[in-house]
Parts: sequence; structure tokens; C-alpha cells
Amino acid sequence: QKEVEQDPGPLSVPEGAIVSLNCTYSNSAFQYFMWYRQYSRKGPELLMYTYSSGNKEDGRFTAQVDKSSKYISLFIRDSQPSDSATYLCAMSGAGGTSYGKLTFGQGTILTVHP
Amino acid sequence: DSGVTQTPKHLITATGQRVTLRCSPRSGDLSVYWYQQSLDQGLQFLIQYYNGEERAKGNILERFSAQQFPDLHSELNLSSLELGDSALYFCASSGGLAGGLYNEQFFGPGTRLTVL
Repeated sequence: QKEVEQDPGPLSVPEGAIVSLNCTYSNSAFQYFMWYRQYSRKGPELLMYTYSSGNKEDGRFTAQVDKSSKYISLFIRDSQPSDSATYLCAMSGAGGTSYGKLTFGQGTILTVHP
Repeated sequence: DSGVTQTPKHLITATGQRVTLRCSPRSGDLSVYWYQQSLDQGLQFLIQYYNGEERAKGNILERFSAQQFPDLHSELNLSSLELGDSALYFCASSGGLAGGLYNEQFFGPGTRLTVL
């Protein structure tokens, strides 16, 4: 079983929809949670970064972390065709060399159609 | 543009060969990370360097090695290549001055390696 599980999709939604992307994890040592967006043939781009449990909002994006359930989410409001990409969750522990060793989910392919 | 550069963009080589991938981090970043992305394994952490020193290792094969030079650029060396090494190799960099900042990683465009 993988440490981080993410439904690969694909997920197809109409423009303007609210998108919900999720990851579950098994390693209770994870303290930092990130969401990356990756366009085809490009490198991942950091979207959201949170520490421990709670919510964080940035424009149309909201990240939620529920450590008690080992579950994280990314919500995209008013989705646009330009949001079409693969979304990757990533996590790391805290302390020593755990910092920076990101463990990624498989990625969810999202298509927003006009 | 993340500010991280990688060369070459594409590399096609044969089994048994050796290749070197190069990465220049963002200006001021001291940490460099290497990742491998394949369809079956996803994006996997290989190794991290901080200011010239190896800091953390992930699932890196013994046939692979890396180093970070005094000017902070890094190279990933892959030897005795096998068909299964075909993948996208990404370099990322971060400031790393405080623990959490190691996790704010900025990725380069990647090198696509094809082993025939």
C-alpha cells in the first residue's frame, strides 16, 4: 500500500463548477501538505502549502487538512479551462532530514470544458 | 517560469550507457532535489543536496549518483542504463533556511530520458 493515495481520475467538469480533489495518507509523521499543479510536459508548480491541520485559502483555491482522518483536500471554485492539468498532493514530515523529502500522490487529471 | 533550469530537455540513449543531467537552482536557493517521474511509480524523491552536502536520500538506485558544486548547480549521473530508467527527471530547489522552507520547492522543466 502506498503512503499517499490519490484517485487518478480523470475528472471532467464544466466551466464554473466547484472541483474537489482529495488525498489520503497513512504516515502519521506527515506535517506539511502541499498541492502542485502540473501541465502537460511541464514541471510541477506549487499551488498551496499548509502546515498541520486547518484550512488555507488563496483566491479560487482552498486547501483543507484533517490530520485526524489523514485526509487532505483541494477545492477549486469557479473552475476555468486553464485549470485543466494534473493535480498532485505532496507531503513531508518535520524534523531532521524529513524536511524536503516530499512524498507525492499519483496525481488527478482534471479537465474543465467550456 | 520557476527560475530552475535543467539541461538537456530530451536525452535518447542506449541500454548500458551513462548520462549526466544538469540543474541550476533559483538564485539564492541552497537546496537542490532530484525526482524521477514515471507512469507507474509517479513522482519519486531521489536525493537532496544542501549547500554542496548530501542531506537526504530517497529511492535512488546505486547506479545513480549526484553532486552539488560550489556554484550550487547540481548534476545527476545515471549509469548502466536500463529500459526501466526511461522517465522524466526533475530538479527542484528551495531556500531551506528554516525547516518548513525545505518543502517550498520550485521545479524545473525536467529532462525526458529515453533508453532504447
